[in-house]
Amino acid sequence: GAVVSQHPSWVICKSGTSVKIECRSLDFQATTMFWYRQFPKQSLMLMATSNEGSKATYEQGVEKDKFLINHASLTLSTLTVTSAHPEDSSFYICSATTLPGQYSNQPQHFGDGTRLSIL
Amino acid sequence: DAKTTQPPSMDCAEGRAANLPCNHSTISGNEYVYWYRQIHSQGPQYIIHGLKNNETNEMASLIITEDRKSSTLILPHATLRDTAVYYCIVRARSNDYKLSFGAGTTVTVRA
Repeated sequence: GAVVSQHPSWVICKSGTSVKIECRSLDFQATTMFWYRQFPKQSLMLMATSNEGSKATYEQGVEKDKFLINHASLTLSTLTVTSAHPEDSSFYICSATTLPGQYSNQPQHFGDGTRLSIL
Repeated sequence: DAKTTQPPSMDCAEGRAANLPCNHSTISGNEYVYWYRQIHSQGPQYIIHGLKNNETNEMASLIITEDRKSSTLILPHATLRDTAVYYCIVRARSNDYKLSFGAGTTVTVRA
């Protein structure tokens, strides 16, 4: 159980293009999803927290107008990289939690990531 | 959330137990210890978590010291497929669910 699917797994596009990445929880309802970015040989960096039906909360230094997040249902969150440039090339990973509410110790479950290459 | 310290790398022999240490000396009473691993070019995989009692599941065992200042993840019979970066993360039982990933331990299982 607790499967998170991410699509696409790999995308190459030209500079200036906008790219949408989908994150789906397949067998559970996820009220909270997270988006991370990972550069080569580095660890994961949290970009934003997405709660179903409300605006995403972005980490310091992450441009909300560049990385648009939508979490319209309990099983789907999307990240759109707008007007992507080569420096946006990275490995983008989403995760989701299984239970809503406060004081939960449930783990996050991660998708397999999307490798984005901007030419 | 409390900071964790892990060795940067470890080698393990295939078929033997792999013991991965983690120090979290500033952990507070409401913080859990989580272990994840990331195999190359994949998303992190949840392994196990605990508060103060030792925990075991089909993947691993988690041993937390009585003072909770350190823990050990045990892979009972390491295989080549266990080669990955292992992350020990301490997270408060709060309503923001955030995880902060450090550098982790790069574990290489050798035949």
